[in-house]
Amino acid sequence: GAVVSQHPSWVICKSGTSVKIECRSLDFQATTMFWYRQFPKQSLMLMATSNEGSKATYEQGVEKDKFLINHASLTLSTLTVTSAHPEDSSFYICSAYYGVSYEQYFGPGTRLTVT
Amino acid sequence: DAKTTQPTSMDCAEGRAANLPCNHSTISGNEYVYWYRQIHSQGPQYIIHGLKNNETNEMASLIITEDRKSSTLILPHATLRDTAVYYCIVRPWGGSQGNLIFGKGTKLSVKP
Repeated sequence: GAVVSQHPSWVICKSGTSVKIECRSLDFQATTMFWYRQFPKQSLMLMATSNEGSKATYEQGVEKDKFLINHASLTLSTLTVTSAHPEDSSFYICSAYYGVSYEQYFGPGTRLTVT
Repeated sequence: DAKTTQPTSMDCAEGRAANLPCNHSTISGNEYVYWYRQIHSQGPQYIIHGLKNNETNEMASLIITEDRKSSTLILPHATLRDTAVYYCIVRPWGGSQGNLIFGKGTKLSVKP
């Protein structure tokens, strides 16, 4: 089956710094990847859709200048949280389409804590 | 907004079948029913999907009513590792229709 990895699995950073999260499709090419955010005891919320070689499409209310997404290759998308604040602390999860039926396969998630 | 309604939580005894209901009364003709689950602090895992026929795979069975307004996910022999939040999602077929919209799901607790 399709495997999506994320790195790091958890990260702690200081307020005001930036942090990059990587999402990789390990055994398939992913032209479209998605980034979700999940706060404690809440469901997943889509942040943006990332297409290889083009600009990401952000959901309403998501600051594109704060959450920078780069999908430079068919196997890698990155999410950079710029000038992080404690309220950005969350569980960030990526996913990718796989196969002719466009199933979404999810990465294991990255736990971000901003102190 | 999610187009599905699921019970907030359910319990199931280990080894017994877990039947998780989902209501999707406003489903359109081109929309499929997908089920995912999320074990605590992990990314969601795809389980199964279907249009109108019942489906079965190595993980579960999906029973969709004839009018397609509801469905049931069946885990035939639940184990403790099946404890998770289960999401029922309706989505049109194909990649152009984009992302999955997650509702609150059903928290299934499998008890010994």
